Amino acid sequence: EAGVAQSPRYKIIEKRQSVAFWCNPISGHATLYWYQQILGQGPKLLIQFQNNGVVDDSQLPKDRFSAERLKGVDSTLKIQPAKLEDSAVYLCASSLGRGGLEPQHFGDGTRLSIL
Amino acid sequence: DQQVKQNSPSLSVQEGRISILNCDYTNSMFDYFLWYKKYPAEGPTFLISISSIKDKNEDGRFTVFLNKSAKHLSLHIVPSQPGDSAVYFCAASDRNNFNKFYFGSGTKLNVKP
Repeated sequence: EAGVAQSPRYKIIEKRQSVAFWCNPISGHATLYWYQQILGQGPKLLIQFQNNGVVDDSQLPKDRFSAERLKGVDSTLKIQPAKLEDSAVYLCASSLGRGGLEPQHFGDGTRLSIL
Repeated sequence: DQQVKQNSPSLSVQEGRISILNCDYTNSMFDYFLWYKKYPAEGPTFLISISSIKDKNEDGRFTVFLNKSAKHLSLHIVPSQPGDSAVYFCAASDRNNFNKFYFGSGTKLNVKP
């Protein structure tokens, strides 16, 4: 079974620029999550999709972050404009989404550095 | 609000001995608990989980214990191997809250040969 795919693996931009990350979840997984992981901390949920609908985006800084999951499969996360404090690893995860005891499966993340 | 806490940032253990990683949580509605293992430059990998109706789950060298009254879970690795050296995250979720997951800050385990 192919895992969660993310791209790019690394991105370096200057503050106030924009950036986009892409995620392809495991086939058949209805739930997709985007996390921000700052060095030395655990993953923090930014947004959670169930199919193509948003379940939780309470911690997404909506003035600069946006995400979409068209057709309920792939997803993109965008930051515009980027700030220095956005430097982090952005992780995408997916799960079956059937309401049972289902672990999340993570991609390898995108490491974002803001100069 | 940090609902899941790992108070030990690091742990060093000799190869062959037991590693015990601890995790505390505050939300009594959590009903599913997981441990993830993370190597550098990789995403977290699911290791083992436990439902709130159990107090122990075992998978090979890995055992997770849940103490609901103390809101505490632990991961035991016996025997520890150098390849177990990684950062371990505990996570918890409330299935009645759309299966939203909360993660601890991680414990870095170093298993010395």
